[in-house]
Amino acid sequence: EVYLVESGGGLVQPGGSLRLSCAASGFIYNNYWMAWVRQGPGKGLEWVANIKGDGSATFYGDAVKGRFTISRDNAKNSLDLQMNSLRPEDSGVYYCVGANSWGQGTLVTVSS
Amino acid sequence: AVVTQEPSLTVSPGGTVSLTCGSSTGAVTSGHYPSWFQQKPGQAPRTLIYHTYNKPSWTPARFSGSLLGGKAALTLSGAQPDDEADYYCLVVYGGDQEVFGGGTKLTVL
Repeated sequence: EVYLVESGGGLVQPGGSLRLSCAASGFIYNNYWMAWVRQGPGKGLEWVANIKGDGSATFYGDAVKGRFTISRDNAKNSLDLQMNSLRPEDSGVYYCVGANSWGQGTLVTVSS
Repeated sequence: AVVTQEPSLTVSPGGTVSLTCGSSTGAVTSGHYPSWFQQKPGQAPRTLIYHTYNKPSWTPARFSGSLLGGKAALTLSGAQPDDEADYYCLVVYGGDQEVFGGGTKLTVL
């Protein structure tokens, strides 16, 4: 069974940084693209970024391009999202997604 | 690109309903790898359909994916009260951008 467990969420001031992590298990990790998807309070889903199985390609949504960086460590079956220059509109639940499975999410709140 | 879904739909128990997913750039094709996700209140989303019509092992047989009239479609045949949820589609553009639709709130009543 696939497990994806996010961590690293919390409260941060506008302009600050936060690093999210996702621990993956139950599948051959380096065979799969992985992604981060977020959901603002009371809003729909928004694709944030994804990364190829070998880490050789990354893509970002326009709202986060230049501020967020997705990375993975295939030796540790982990996925990260480095978030810089955070804005209030970045607030929401961030989900780790891969192998057609979703984690439970981690909450990010950007507020002064 | 903007992906459009019906904001809300209602289906009777045991009935059939199709949710659609359109694109502002033109017809949705298999090359857009449309996917469908279900989200119930307070829960994480789960994948129902990927790459147009493929199902993970947990997707009930009453759900099916297709292309219909230039849109991606999710058809629910034999609706159950437990199917009441928000449904989102996802479309891949050019291999480097992915866009979710705004979601459809499905009521089983």
